[in-house]
Amino acid sequence: EADIYQTPRYLVIGTGKKITLECSQTMGHDKMYWYQQDPGMELHLIHYSYGVNSTEKGDLSSESTVSRIRTEHFPLTLESARPSHTSQYLCASSDAQGNEQFFGPGTRLTVL
Amino acid sequence: AQSVTQLGSHVSVSEGALVLLRCNYSSSVPPYLFWYVQYPNQGLQLLLKYTTGATLVKGINGFEAEFKKSETSFHLTKPSAHMSDAAEYFCAVSPNNNAGNMLTFGGGTRLMVKP
Repeated sequence: EADIYQTPRYLVIGTGKKITLECSQTMGHDKMYWYQQDPGMELHLIHYSYGVNSTEKGDLSSESTVSRIRTEHFPLTLESARPSHTSQYLCASSDAQGNEQFFGPGTRLTVL
Repeated sequence: AQSVTQLGSHVSVSEGALVLLRCNYSSSVPPYLFWYVQYPNQGLQLLLKYTTGATLVKGINGFEAEFKKSETSFHLTKPSAHMSDAAEYFCAVSPNNNAGNMLTFGGGTRLMVKP
């Protein structure tokens, strides 16, 4: 079944740790996105990719980095987590036209 | 630049009552318009979208929205609220140019349904 997956769903980690949030999609989509969402707040685009080896920064500045080595995989990495990184991170994908984005279930990150 | 305004961060209705969630946009050209729903601890699910054609769009779960160009609005309605409709609703826009469109989201409206 075509879908978009995120792991882990929940992560609690200490300050200074390196973390990678995984996002994979089996929809054959070219475009992928990462959004950051604080509780009860709107979504802010932090990274996007138009395809393999393409990555761009979004509207909201983020200390995280992304990579796109495979079409289906778009991981997000924080080299040194801080409490200010505590948030929900949502991954999405869309086809080449990008008119409809499909979202994963999200990763809720808490940095102590 | 585009922007989206959702009037009312919280809306409370009784079960069976009309649901009306407001969305206004600012764009130099008529954009593509979307409504997404987010249940607790989940990602966003598309309710409906307007790209071209009929301005009244029907979506899932009995929701519909009407694109009104003159009012730059895309309000979401449902005739009769169910308890299961309680969730966060986001209006979003993207440029009408089929060129790697980015979504701009509104601030969201939390819908509460009272028994």
